[in-house]
Amino acid sequence: GAVVSQHPSRVICKSGTSVKIECRSLDFQATTMFWYRQFPKQSLMLMATSNEGSKATYEQGVEKDKFLINHASLTLSTLTVTSAHPEDSSFYICSASVRAGETQYFGPGTRLLVL
Amino acid sequence: QKEVEQDPGPLSVPEGAIVSLNCTYSNSAFQYFMWYRQYSRKGPELLMYTYSSGNKEDGRFTAQVDKSSKYISLFIRDSQPSDSATYLCAMQIGTASKLTFGTGTRLQVTL
Repeated sequence: GAVVSQHPSRVICKSGTSVKIECRSLDFQATTMFWYRQFPKQSLMLMATSNEGSKATYEQGVEKDKFLINHASLTLSTLTVTSAHPEDSSFYICSASVRAGETQYFGPGTRLLVL
Repeated sequence: QKEVEQDPGPLSVPEGAIVSLNCTYSNSAFQYFMWYRQYSRKGPELLMYTYSSGNKEDGRFTAQVDKSSKYISLFIRDSQPSDSATYLCAMQIGTASKLTFGTGTRLQVTL
């Protein structure tokens, strides 16, 4: 149980384009979902927390207009990287919790490469 | 200074060895401590969760927390090749607060 999927697993795009990443909780309903980013040899860094039906809360230094998060249902959250640039190339990973403060179950991650 | 420091490795040990993985932290407000295991191209999975100083054992895994020294460890006994993965420590101030991760230590258990 407690499986979280992400799609796509890998994406390559041109600079200036937008990329959408999906995060789904497959066998449970997730009130809260989290989006992390990991650069090579660095820690997983929380970007934003989203609660179903409400606006995401972004961490300091994360541009909310660049990284659009939608958590429209209890099983799906999407992260859209708008006007992606090479410096946005990273490993994006989501996690989901049944409720805030409970165990986070992580997805397998999406590797984004912006050329 | 990073809030959580973790040696990235790689750490290579022979099968059957005892493995010691460690993290240090600077924020004394951290109260909850976790160890995650991440296989290649997979998401992290929770291995151990502790909130008090001392040891917690689960099978071949023992998590140790020393709040006075701001130091946590994960010990793996009788290590197996299937234990080869990246191990991440993570910490929280409160159960509803964000997770702060270490960089992860890559472990390779050889036959």
